[in-house]
Amino acid sequence: AQSVSQHNHHVILSEAASLELGCNYSYGGTVNLFWYVQYPGQHLQLLLKYFSGDPLVKGIKGFEAEFIKSKFSFNLRKPSVQWSDTAEYFCAVNAHNTDKLIFGTGTRLQVFP
Amino acid sequence: EAGVTQFPSHSVIEKGQTVTLRCDPISGHDNLYWYRRVMGKEIKFLLHFVKESKQDESGMPNNRFLAERTGGTYSTLKVQPAELEDSGVYFCASSRVRSSPLHFGNGTRLTVT
Repeated sequence: AQSVSQHNHHVILSEAASLELGCNYSYGGTVNLFWYVQYPGQHLQLLLKYFSGDPLVKGIKGFEAEFIKSKFSFNLRKPSVQWSDTAEYFCAVNAHNTDKLIFGTGTRLQVFP
Repeated sequence: EAGVTQFPSHSVIEKGQTVTLRCDPISGHDNLYWYRRVMGKEIKFLLHFVKESKQDESGMPNNRFLAERTGGTYSTLKVQPAELEDSGVYFCASSRVRSSPLHFGNGTRLTVT
């Protein structure tokens, strides 16, 4: 069965620190990959997605993610975080022939000024 | 455009009672999804509607859960009778076409006591 692992459950950083959140998935076929973010009191929203092409994907608010097929990974990065990045981040995957998203357990990021 | 709206935002019920959750997707979005997050765990797929038809209901936990989307507009998810393990946040999402990113609602937090 497909699954998504997010290794960091809770990350605490100071502003301007660099961020990398790990995401690994298990599925042997072609996949679409996503990162969603949920800011406090708000709905889940799409941060970035990978369907095909350049494995380095740029998203909103300075976030990027790199798809490494050989490692089944899709880690999220940001060079310099801000207090407003405090949120919960979810990695998700779906197989090309389905609409069903498989989510990881989420990573709660706290950024202190 | 108005986003996906869910009602109620919170519901507290006793074991054995019935609860109905409602989701209004973005106008014109044929695809409607229900997901659930149990405390501390991953967000799990429940089912997918295309217009009024159930496209995939493989994630529905058991026959105490009934989802409908009469007329292909809003959807309801009824839990009858509710059990303690049904507690969690129920998310609804919609999309215009199957390959487009999902727009999520704020979720309904269900607590069964």
